[in-house]
Amino acid sequence: AQSVTQLDSQVPVFEEAPVELRCNYSSSVSVYLFWYVQYPNQGLQLLLKYLSGSTLVESINGFEAEFNKSQTSFHLRKPSVHISDTAEYFCAVSEGNQFYFGTGTSLTVIP
Amino acid sequence: GAGVSQSPSNKVTEKGKDVELRCDPISGHTALYWYRQSLGQGLEFLIYFQGNSAPDKSGLPSDRFSAERTGGSVSTLTIQRTQQEDSAVYLCASSLEYRANEQFFGPGTRLTVL
Repeated sequence: AQSVTQLDSQVPVFEEAPVELRCNYSSSVSVYLFWYVQYPNQGLQLLLKYLSGSTLVESINGFEAEFNKSQTSFHLRKPSVHISDTAEYFCAVSEGNQFYFGTGTSLTVIP
Repeated sequence: GAGVSQSPSNKVTEKGKDVELRCDPISGHTALYWYRQSLGQGLEFLIYFQGNSAPDKSGLPSDRFSAERTGGSVSTLTIQRTQQEDSAVYLCASSLEYRANEQFFGPGTRLTVL
């Protein structure tokens, strides 16, 4: 079975600084990869996804993630964070008939 | 249009009782998913439906858990003889098709088993 690891449970970062949220998964055989975000007091919503093609995918609010098959990673990055980016971020992998989510990373942007 | 709705939003029950959780997906979404989120843990995938069919039920944690979907729309997740370890937030999501498409999540049902 697939497993998804988000090693950093909490990431504090100053406003306008860069950030990387790490995600590793156990097997890269025919997987789809996702990042979901949960803002305070809101439900989960899709941030970006990788299905095929270019290994670098971007979201509309400046986040990007790169699919690295050899390292089985899908790290999320943003060059300059904003206060409004404070949220819980979940990495997810789809394989076969199931979805697998990581335990989440709480990003706190400090003014 | 309306998003995914779940009811009840909160449920407190006694150990050993049965509970039924309901999910109303977005109209026209053929795929429906159930997850469980326990304190300090990620989302645990329970089951998904494509239409009214659930191809893989191996994610259900025990035979006390069952789910059904009727008319390609509403789904219910039933937990029989609830245990304290069943306490969690149960999330439902729907999407246009399975796997590749964005899942739209409901607000969840917080289940507390005393």
